[in-house]
This record gives sequence, C-alpha cells and structure tokens, in this order.
Amino acid sequence: QLQLQESGPGLVKPSETLSLTCSVSGDSVSNSRYYWGWIRQPPGRGLEWIGSIYYGTSSYSGTTYYSASLKSRVTISIDASKNQFYLKLSSETAADTAVYFCARHYPVTHSFDYWGQGVLVTVSS
Amino acid sequence: EIVLTQSPGTLSLSPGERATLSCRASQSVSRTYLAWYQQKPGQAPRLLISGTSNRATGIPDRFSGSGSETDFTLTISRLEPEDFAVYYCQQYGNSAYTFGQGTKLEIK
Repeated sequence: QLQLQESGPGLVKPSETLSLTCSVSGDSVSNSRYYWGWIRQPPGRGLEWIGSIYYGTSSYSGTTYYSASLKSRVTISIDASKNQFYLKLSSETAADTAVYFCARHYPVTHSFDYWGQGVLVTVSS
Repeated sequence: EIVLTQSPGTLSLSPGERATLSCRASQSVSRTYLAWYQQKPGQAPRLLISGTSNRATGIPDRFSGSGSETDFTLTISRLEPEDFAVYYCQQYGNSAYTFGQGTKLEIK
C-alpha cells in the first residue's frame, strides 16, 4: 500500500526558508510512471498546486515543474536512494501559512491519486 | 492560468437526495485532464474521478462525472451520510494544475 508522509518544522519565521520532506513507502520515487508533487491549503481555504518533479530515467536530479506564482521562491528535489522528495520555499511570509501536502500524480490523467496526511506550517515570529 | 469556478459554494441536501456540482473553466480543458476530489475536515483530499468520468479505485458508483470543454459536473445519485464534505475540481493545462475553490455539501 502506497503511503506518503510529510515532515518538517511546524513554525517558520518570516523571511526564512521552509524545508519539507516527503517520505514514500510502497512505491519508488524513481518509478518512471509517476510524478511527485506538493500542494498547499491555507486554513479554511482551497487547494493550490506548488510544483512537481519527475524522476524518470534520464536524470538523477529529476525534471521540475513549478507554479508560475511561486516559481521564483520554490525548489523541489528528489533523492531516490532515500525514496524521498523535498520542498524548499524561500522568503516566507504569513501568506505561506498553510497545510502542505505531498502527493503522487499520474501523468496520463494529471490527477493526484495518493496524498500524504499533510503538515501544518505556520509563518510567525 | 486556467481558472476553475465551482458552483454552488454551498449545497444543502438530505441523505437520499441527488447532488449536482458544477465546475466551469475559463478556457477549454481536455476531458482527460479534469478530476474531482472529496475532502473531509482534517483529512487530505481523496481522488474520486479522473479523466472527467472515470471513478478511482474503490469509489462507489453513485459518484459520476460528465462534461466537456468548459463545463463539467459531478453527480452523486443518492447521498449517503459519509458524502457530506467539500468537493474540488482540478485541471491540468498549459503546464500547470489549478483547483476550483470548492463546493461544500452539507446536511440539510
């Protein structure tokens, strides 16, 4: 059974960089059939895609795709040896306070079929 | 960026009734790339429908999806108590993913 688990600090200071890890079990992040992504949800609000990474077979670092609105601040990376992928979001502000989810998505339909439980990150001094 | 607008914002119905949720796109979306999710409080979204009308594994057949181009619909034929939740549509286009703002389905 595929499982994804987010981890990282629950509190980040303004202007600092958020770093989150998604640990995957039951599948391999190097599986060329799938992409791996990050989505966030501010408290009481809707879902926002942050970005995704595809490990594939052509690169050890993966191919990344980012939301245009966050592209200047986001870095997503992958470590197949640890079966993990990562999110870094720089220059945090209170507007980045949200539950952050990692998810697997299927490139044929571009739908997110497995999700982690999410981790709440609060940006505050 | 393709904007998805869901209506109504809140839908109040009773168990046993039929629910019809709408998702309208600001420009044409490929049927292959339109999905629906259910989210309950404190939980991650769950994939219900992909490719406009294909139910995900384990999703009961009372859930169905339809539509094309800019107008898509999620129908729940006969509401069960566990169906009251928030529903989101999602699309992929122009190398980006966007979600609708959600429809809250509440018990009347």
